[in-house]
Formats: sequence, C-alpha cells, structure tokens
Amino acid sequence: EIVLTQSPGTLALSPGERATLSCRASQSVRSDCLAWYQQKPGQAPRLLIYGASIRATGIPDRFSGSGSGTDFTLTISRLEPEDFAVYYCRQYGSSPRTFGQGTKLEIK
Amino acid sequence: QVQLLQSGAEVKKPGASVKVSCKASGYSFTNYGISWVRQAPGQGLEWMGWISAYNGNTNYVQKFQGRVTMTTDTSTSTAYMELRSLRSDDTAVYYCAREGNDILTGYPIDYWGQGTLVTVSS
Repeated sequence: EIVLTQSPGTLALSPGERATLSCRASQSVRSDCLAWYQQKPGQAPRLLIYGASIRATGIPDRFSGSGSGTDFTLTISRLEPEDFAVYYCRQYGSSPRTFGQGTKLEIK
Repeated sequence: QVQLLQSGAEVKKPGASVKVSCKASGYSFTNYGISWVRQAPGQGLEWMGWISAYNGNTNYVQKFQGRVTMTTDTSTSTAYMELRSLRSDDTAVYYCAREGNDILTGYPIDYWGQGTLVTVSS
C-alpha cells in the first residue's frame, strides 16, 4: 500500500499570498497517477488536478500541480478567499487507492 | 451534466446493515466504475473499494473484506454499497464517486455524490 504524507498539516496564509502544499509517497506513484482535491465544510471533494499536473475542467489557472515519482506539490499562486479549505492528494495508480491525510489551508 | 445522487441519511444500531444507493446520470454508466469513499466526523477521506459498472468486477480494501458488498444495476444506472455488522466507528459520510472502468487503468475520481450520513448508535 502506498502511504501518502501531506505537509504541512495546517497552513495559515492571507489572501493574495502563494500557497505551497506537499504530498510525499512511500513508493513511486505509477505514471504520475496523482490527483489533488479541494473540500469545503459540508461539501463533497472537488477534483482540482490529475496526472500530477493537469488542471481539471473549470479549475482556475492559479492552481497548478507538479512533481513525479514520490514528491508532488500543489501550488496556489494568489490565494482568493474561496480557496481556504482542506486539500487532499490521492494516488490512483495502484490498489488500494490511498489518500493523504489532508492539509487545512486557513486564513491568517 | 454528470450527477451522482445518493440516498438519504440513515441511523442504524450496532450489528445492523446499511445499503446506500447512488444513481448516476449525464453519462454512459457502463463506461465507468464507481468508488466508495467514507469520511468519519472531522477526519480525512478513506477509500473503501471500487466496482466496474461494465462487468461488475470489484476491488475492496482489505479492512472491509467480508463486511462490504458493492453492486450495480445497469438498468437503472444505480450503484449500491452495503456494509454489514455496523459498529460505532462506521459512523461517517459515505460518498460514491465516478472512477475508471478498470482498476488497473489509472483514471482519477472526477465526480462525487453529495454524500450520505450513516450514524451507528445504540
């Protein structure tokens, strides 16, 4: 089983700042099958990034993903008020599929 | 547009079973699979398993083996997840989500249902 470790657990930033979220895998993720999801309170998660770096339909270009192998990053270039939420990474290249434990992005 | 509409909240006693439904619309149901993901209160996301809507193949997380059954009804484009021998730590929101049709093919979860709260309490 691939264990995904996200850091930091909580990130406090102000609107307009840049956010960098990390997701590290315990072994290489096949074909960069790594996705990022955003979840707001009381809502289902929403797909932001798949294939490590491909933005899903309708996702603003301030969201970008990078990385390969075991180290992946989600970057939000300029935080908007609606971006404060919990972010999860997930690998879908092997079974069992696994999620990271999440990074909470909160307003400073 | 793709929609996954889940059944309503459930309250169950320990030892009972629950069956959650997930009706798909806006796409060809048998071209994809359905994953089930749960989220305990205040906790992260946990993948429970997957079913192919094309041929019914399943892949369950080992911790749920023997307690969970995932099925589909292609005539109504509906997926079901039954969890048996419920315990208090099964209290969670259960989500269905669209994924690929082959567990060996890397295809991300791209659409989610709205979630179904299952409460297990005596």
